[in-house]
Amino acid sequence: QVTLKESGPALVKPTQTLTVTCTFSGFSLNTSGMRVTWIRQPPGKALEWLARIDWDDDKYYSTSLKSRLTISKDTSKNQVVLRMTNMDPVDTATYYCSRFRLGEYGMDVWGQGTTVTVSS
Amino acid sequence: EIVLTQSPDTLSLSPGERATLSCRASQSVITTYFGWYQQKPGQAPRLLIYGATTRATGIPDRFSGSGSGTDFTLTINRLEPEDFAVYYCQHYGSSPYIFGQGTKLEIK
Repeated sequence: QVTLKESGPALVKPTQTLTVTCTFSGFSLNTSGMRVTWIRQPPGKALEWLARIDWDDDKYYSTSLKSRLTISKDTSKNQVVLRMTNMDPVDTATYYCSRFRLGEYGMDVWGQGTTVTVSS
Repeated sequence: EIVLTQSPDTLSLSPGERATLSCRASQSVITTYFGWYQQKPGQAPRLLIYGATTRATGIPDRFSGSGSGTDFTLTINRLEPEDFAVYYCQHYGSSPYIFGQGTKLEIK
């Protein structure tokens, strides 16, 4: 069974750096074609894709947020970490990670999400 | 960058009716990398359709996807009470992976 679970702080102050972790099971990021991606959703708004990391350590970022994002993986721990610098209240959102295999399969399994509020 | 525009923003129907949700891309996209997601309040999105027409694991056959090029459709036959939710389309062929703004399917 494939599962993913996000974790991170519920509250961060403006200008701080957010670190959220995706811990997964049921698949390996050492497997060719495997990818994990991050998506966020501000309250009452649409989904916004943020970043992707591949089995071969290739990384891709949202065009508008690229300068603030860093994605990394620890395959020994089955974790993917997303860092977002210079947080602002507009970054208040639920942050999701999902499995995203190479091919036609889409983002097929999602975590439950972790809600982050940016406020002083 | 591709823009996906969903219509309508809100669709009000009764259980048992058929829902037709549309998604239009600002430029032609590869059908293989087109999908639909369902999101209920307080829950994570769930993949419904991938490759424009293939139902994901466990998705009932009352859900179907169609389309190509710039125009895609999600059809839900014989609406069940649990189908009332927000639906998002997405193209995932190449980064950035854009979502539509969502269509809210509500009970009439």
